[in-house]
Amino acid sequence: AQSVTQPDIHITVSEGASLELRCNYSYGATPYLFWYVQSPGQGLQLLLKYFSGDTLVQGIKGFEAEFKRSQSSFNLRKPSVHWSDAAEYFCAVGAHGDAMRFGAGTRLTVKP
Amino acid sequence: KAGVTQTPRYLIKTRGQQVTLSCSPISGHRSVSWYQQTPGQGLQFLFEYFSETQRNKGNFPGRFSGRQFSNSRSEMNVSTLELGDSALYLCASSLEGHSYNSPLHFGNGTRLTVT
Repeated sequence: AQSVTQPDIHITVSEGASLELRCNYSYGATPYLFWYVQSPGQGLQLLLKYFSGDTLVQGIKGFEAEFKRSQSSFNLRKPSVHWSDAAEYFCAVGAHGDAMRFGAGTRLTVKP
Repeated sequence: KAGVTQTPRYLIKTRGQQVTLSCSPISGHRSVSWYQQTPGQGLQFLFEYFSETQRNKGNFPGRFSGRQFSNSRSEMNVSTLELGDSALYLCASSLEGHSYNSPLHFGNGTRLTVT
């Protein structure tokens, strides 16, 4: 089965600073890749997805992610973080014949 | 359109008891997946159902079981509860027939505490 690794358990950034959350996957073929966000007390919400085509995908709330096949990575980025971005972020991978698998999550803290 | 509804929101059970959690997907969604969320472990996949058939099963003991009804509603059951079963149980539905290539719509979860 495919697997997902999010190397950073917790990241702290200052408001207005740029953000990059790392995600690595293990799968033989090109997987379906997703980023979800879980804000405090709320359910998980889809930020963006990659299926094929342009390797740089845009999502909601100003987020983007880049698929790099050579590095088996799908890192999430945002140029300028807002205090409301404080949440837990999950990378997920889907592969044919299997269910969607999630990483352990990265908790983002935003400093004023 | 109503979102994914999970009931109950909170449960407190004693070791050895059993529990049943319910999930109603978004209208028109036929695929339902269940996940266990614990701190540091992220979301661990439990089951995936489509048209009343279990399509995939995660690496959980047989104490964890589930089913899906003809109206796409789903239930999961945990028997002989252990302290380690304390977690947030999330249900998600998707419009497509497979969850792996379709965005998941999550409910707010059922918080299970085992004492």
